[in-house]
Amino acid sequence: QQQVKQSPQSLIVQKGGISIINCAYENTAFDYFPWYQQFPGKGPALLIAIRPDVSEKKEGRFTISFNKSAKQFSLHIMDSQPGDSATYFCAASYTGNQFYFGTGTSLTVIP
Amino acid sequence: DTAVSQTPKYLVTQMGNDKSIKCEQNLGHDTMYWYKQDSKKFLKIMFSYNNKELIINETVPNRFSPKSPDKAHLNLHINSLELGDSAVYFCASSQQPWGYGYTFGSGTRLTVV
Repeated sequence: QQQVKQSPQSLIVQKGGISIINCAYENTAFDYFPWYQQFPGKGPALLIAIRPDVSEKKEGRFTISFNKSAKQFSLHIMDSQPGDSATYFCAASYTGNQFYFGTGTSLTVIP
Repeated sequence: DTAVSQTPKYLVTQMGNDKSIKCEQNLGHDTMYWYKQDSKKFLKIMFSYNNKELIINETVPNRFSPKSPDKAHLNLHINSLELGDSAVYFCASSQQPWGYGYTFGSGTRLTVV
């Protein structure tokens, strides 16, 4: 059973555009929602994370929007750049328990 | 300085062989993990060790055996390799179980032929 559902599977965006990746979860006990970025041949690296006491967190061009009532959260990449081309994973966990990863989104930013 | 390092980066071997993948972290973390990433990039937890003790052992064939000689090292030994074991294996570590500073290694691509 997939604890975290992620969409789309792949995404192509023009340089300068906005990339949006969505995730949904069922377990209301989840209290930590990180996003990981993975480049080819590398391991996933923590990009940004949010806890459910806030609805939005922004770090540079990357923003997480969190909707607790809908049990959804999304990653927005503003002014997308070719260097952002990577696979993005959302995840969810509750304190001291394992991470549940989404299935990943392959982002391609076209120059 | 690499925080979580795995060796080898690539491993090509024949069916039926036994192989090991090594992982070392220099972050001073207490917890280490092994993940399997399949061809569709799905990340699946295999094992988790906290201070050399096994705390998670997901449904993994018993041909896979983790060994933690100390809290900075977590090795993965695989017996009787099968074609379906071909994947990328990632080591990770964190200060506490599933806690702050969760860091992945760069992976070991295992190909069984």
